[in-house]
Amino acid sequence: GQNIDQPTEMTATEGAIVQINCTYQTSGFNGLFWYQQHAGEAPTFLSYNVLDGLEEKGRFSSFLSRSKGYSYLLLKELQMKDSASYLCAALDSNYQLIWGAGTKLIIKP
Amino acid sequence: NAGVTQTPKFRVLKTGQSMTLLCAQDMNHEYMYWYRQDPGMGLRLIHYSVGEGTTAKGEVPDGYNVSRLNKREFSLRLESAAPSQTSVYFCASSEGIMNTEAFFGQGTRLTVV
Repeated sequence: GQNIDQPTEMTATEGAIVQINCTYQTSGFNGLFWYQQHAGEAPTFLSYNVLDGLEEKGRFSSFLSRSKGYSYLLLKELQMKDSASYLCAALDSNYQLIWGAGTKLIIKP
Repeated sequence: NAGVTQTPKFRVLKTGQSMTLLCAQDMNHEYMYWYRQDPGMGLRLIHYSVGEGTTAKGEVPDGYNVSRLNKREFSLRLESAAPSQTSVYFCASSEGIMNTEAFFGQGTRLTVV
């Protein structure tokens, strides 16, 4: 079956760095998305990776290893507003998005 | 810049009642989707549309019908609501599938009692 695994919850300190991991098993693979979702709000797009390596976008970076079925989202210089859920989603061979349950990130002062 | 607008934001239904959730996007996107989001689970695709006049089943289509009224609008109908359909429903749209971000509406919190 198809599956996305990511930690349920993580806690980090304001100003620090946090890495949120995601492993995926899908029928074929056409890319990996990360979305941010604040409580009670809609998900918003953060990144898309289809090739191995690191993509940097300001304070956020996303990494992909296709051979390991693994991705991570790296958040630097954490701010209180980064408290949210982070959703990992893989695009399978039928171009269907398979979503993880999300990682709730709690930022403490 | 409206983006994706869905209505209503909240609704309480009794078991067996029907309702239609409405979604409209102003970005000229071909692809539109209806998802449900339940605690502890990832977003699950109910139905989707790849263009005006087309619809297709997603992962959890049973109990739901959809209609792509025109390029802008995509509705989701529950003919006979059940408590298992208590969820948060999101409409989304995208320009394509590969390497394209999806834009989500603000969600509809539906409770079926």
